[in-house]
Amino acid sequence: AQRVTQPEKLLSVFKGAPVELKCNYSYSGSPELFWYVQYSRQRLQLLLRHISRESIKGFTADLNKGETSFHLKKPFAQEEDSAMYYCALVSSGGYQKVTFGIGTKLQVIP
Amino acid sequence: ETGVTQSPTHLIKTRGQQVTLRCSSQSGHNTVSWYQQALGQGPQFIFQYYREEENGRGNFPPRFSGLQFPNYSSELNVNALELDDSALYLCASSSVGLAGNEQFFGPGTRLTVL
Repeated sequence: AQRVTQPEKLLSVFKGAPVELKCNYSYSGSPELFWYVQYSRQRLQLLLRHISRESIKGFTADLNKGETSFHLKKPFAQEEDSAMYYCALVSSGGYQKVTFGIGTKLQVIP
Repeated sequence: ETGVTQSPTHLIKTRGQQVTLRCSSQSGHNTVSWYQQALGQGPQFIFQYYREEENGRGNFPPRFSGLQFPNYSSELNVNALELDDSALYLCASSSVGLAGNEQFFGPGTRLTVL
């Protein structure tokens, strides 16, 4: 069974401090991993996908297959980063299944 | 480009009733997925439709069923409603399946079962 674990429901950091939102997964095949974000009163939207290896809004995430992790990082938090962050795993193969984590609320304190 | 739309916005039903929720995909997308999001939880995958056929399903009973139409719009039907079905139902569309592809989410339909 595939599983996504986000161990922290709430993460509070000061503006300018580094941010790390943790995501661990369990999946027997080669997963596709994503980070989605939901800002206040907005829709859920894609932030990052691991295959792109890109940096969006200063955030990066590296897939570590050995540790089965896909942590989201940003060196300097900004107030506008305050939002709900969800890690998601998509199974490989033709018949697909998506698993989201419970989400982590990031609160950036001015 | 038109985004994903869902209707209705809110809905109140009683236990045992049936409900149909609707979703219009983003222009150019041929895959739609449905999710249930209970309060304080992440979205839970119900199923995915690609070219009018179910192409993936989560751990939901058969009373959750769906349809996708030739114009790629979709319906989620829930029979024999239970109190625990109260949740936000999200629809998301993407192009050519989910793997590696961004999903575009709708605003959701809030279902309350009394």
